[in-house]
Amino acid sequence: AQSVAQPEDQVNVAEGNPLTVKCTYSVSGNPYLFWYVQYPNRGLQFLLKYITGDNLVKGSYGFEAEFNKSQTSFHLKKPSALVSDSALYFCASGYSTLTFGKGTMLLVSP
Amino acid sequence: GAVVSQHPSWVICKSGTSVKIECRSLDFQATTMFWYRQFPKQSLMLMATSNEGSKATYEQGVEKDKFLINHASLTLSTLTVTSAHPEDSSFYICSAGGQNQETQYFGPGTRLLVL
Repeated sequence: AQSVAQPEDQVNVAEGNPLTVKCTYSVSGNPYLFWYVQYPNRGLQFLLKYITGDNLVKGSYGFEAEFNKSQTSFHLKKPSALVSDSALYFCASGYSTLTFGKGTMLLVSP
Repeated sequence: GAVVSQHPSWVICKSGTSVKIECRSLDFQATTMFWYRQFPKQSLMLMATSNEGSKATYEQGVEKDKFLINHASLTLSTLTVTSAHPEDSSFYICSAGGQNQETQYFGPGTRLLVL
């Protein structure tokens, strides 16, 4: 069985500051890991994924994530947050069938 | 590329009626589509996996007679909520696998309110 944990319900950051949204995983075998973002009353938008290769994955809108096998983590990062980044972020794992974390609300203040 | 649409975006219906939600992959063919349900401020719950030309695979606890899924073509899957009740009110989201099957692309969701 696989599981994904997002330990923070909410992350607050000031505009211009770096942001990190945490995700840890528990999967057997090689993990397929994803980050999605959801704006209010909308579906999920794909940000980035890790399948294999470089541990640092770059994605859409300036986001990146670092795969850390020893810590079983896949934290989402951005060097400089924008107010428009405020949304609900989901970490997920799986191939074809996804298991989602509970989501982390990111609030970026002006 | 990899655009998924849903129709309608929102629907209000009376208790006891049936509601059909369409999910379309607009610029790619999707052998597999997925249907999720999301409650307010919660994560997505996979309801079923829809495979073109075959019966859907339902997750444990999801009533297959209540949530009818049809995947008639490589670009269209439908979810019909039969005899809807207020507890069926939710946000329903579909997704489709792109060429690289490990990535799912999501539709914008359908808000269902059953009165």
